[in-house]
Amino acid sequence: QQQVKQSPQSLIVQKGGISIINCAYENTAFDYFPWYQQFPGKGPALLIAIRPDVSEKKEGRFTISFNKSAKQFSLHIMDSQPGDSATYFCAASKPDTGRRALTFGSGTRLQVQP
Amino acid sequence: EPEVTQTPSHQVTQMGQEVILRCVPISNHLYFYWYRQILGQKVEFLVSFYNNEISEKSEIFDDQFSVERPDGSNFTLKIRSTKLEDSAMYFCASSDGTSGLSYNEQFFGPGTRLTVL
Repeated sequence: QQQVKQSPQSLIVQKGGISIINCAYENTAFDYFPWYQQFPGKGPALLIAIRPDVSEKKEGRFTISFNKSAKQFSLHIMDSQPGDSATYFCAASKPDTGRRALTFGSGTRLQVQP
Repeated sequence: EPEVTQTPSHQVTQMGQEVILRCVPISNHLYFYWYRQILGQKVEFLVSFYNNEISEKSEIFDDQFSVERPDGSNFTLKIRSTKLEDSAMYFCASSDGTSGLSYNEQFFGPGTRLTVL
């Protein structure tokens, strides 16, 4: 019940294309869904996050779509650029005494070809 | 821009040895975390720490692990007797604990790669 399932494992997109990464969760106590971006040799960095009271959040070329009834959320990267090539992790957390420990998905390695 | 720092960047140790991984969280942050990432796998939560005590720990965080904030700036993870399966990248994270949309945004350090031989 604590798992967050992420797909695809890897993704190759042409420059200017749309990258879509999907995540699904089971635990309805989750109420915060961030996406993290990780470059080789670096720690994960927060990219964008959403709460379940909205169905979509957009920040620049990055959009999260959230479907509460289906318990799914996705990251869309519009106009994908080679600099977006990285590993993307979805995550979720719930209000508890654990100070919002993050449960991560398995990651998606995105490669944007020039 | 403030950042979380970790030392060493790479630690090689023999099985059964003790290791201490060090982290300096962002200075005004109150919540501290350790996560690990086995090569090619997802990031996994180990432990959270607040007000000088553990808030939560995962199943991975067994008796061989301990955390400490020995002074006002450092946050350490000790593995008492390392096993081969402890080989992983260990990430420290910190948060200022504010509520609102950021919901306790966690800032991650660059990680320490632990190799147990």
